[in-house]
Amino acid sequence: AQSVTQLGSHVSVSEGALVLLRCNYSSSVPPYLFWYVQYPNQGLQLLLKYTSAATLVKGINGFEAEFKKSETSFHLTKPSAHMSDAAEYFCAVTSSRNDMRFGAGTRLTVKP
Amino acid sequence: GAVVSQHPSRVICKSGTSVKIECRSLDFQATTMFWYRQFPKQSLMLMATSNEGSKATYEQGVEKDKFLINHASLTLSTLTVTSAHPEDSSFYICSARVSGRAAETQYFGPGTRLLVL
Repeated sequence: AQSVTQLGSHVSVSEGALVLLRCNYSSSVPPYLFWYVQYPNQGLQLLLKYTSAATLVKGINGFEAEFKKSETSFHLTKPSAHMSDAAEYFCAVTSSRNDMRFGAGTRLTVKP
Repeated sequence: GAVVSQHPSRVICKSGTSVKIECRSLDFQATTMFWYRQFPKQSLMLMATSNEGSKATYEQGVEKDKFLINHASLTLSTLTVTSAHPEDSSFYICSARVSGRAAETQYFGPGTRLLVL
């Protein structure tokens, strides 16, 4: 079975500072990994995904994530936080079985 | 890009009534659709996997007689919450997988907020 663990339910950064949201996965088969963002009362928007190609994945809005098999990690980063980045972020994993499992989520707060 | 819609976006109903939520893939065919629920400030929990033309597969702990899923066409799946109670109040989100594409190609709907009074 696949699962993901997001370390830190709440992350607060200053505007312009580095954003680092942590995600570790567990999977018995090669995983597909995702990061989604959710704004209040809205659905999920895909930021980026890893599907066994390049280990460094670039997504929308300046986000990127690096797949590290040795660390079973897929942390999300952004060099410079913007106020509009404040939202809930979910890491997710799926496999050829098709179902997607989500982490508990990390709420990102950006201080002016 | 692929678009998934949900209807209604928000519904309020009385306890004991049934509510139907539709999930549509607007510009692609979806052999498989997934239904999730999300409680406030919590993550998405997979409820069931809906396959076109066959019975849905429910996750452990999800009552199949309470959450009826129908996937009658390649573009439409419905979730009916039967005899709804206040504890069923939640945010329900569907996703659809593009037919014939790899497992990772899922697209999410905007969600339906259900409030049971």
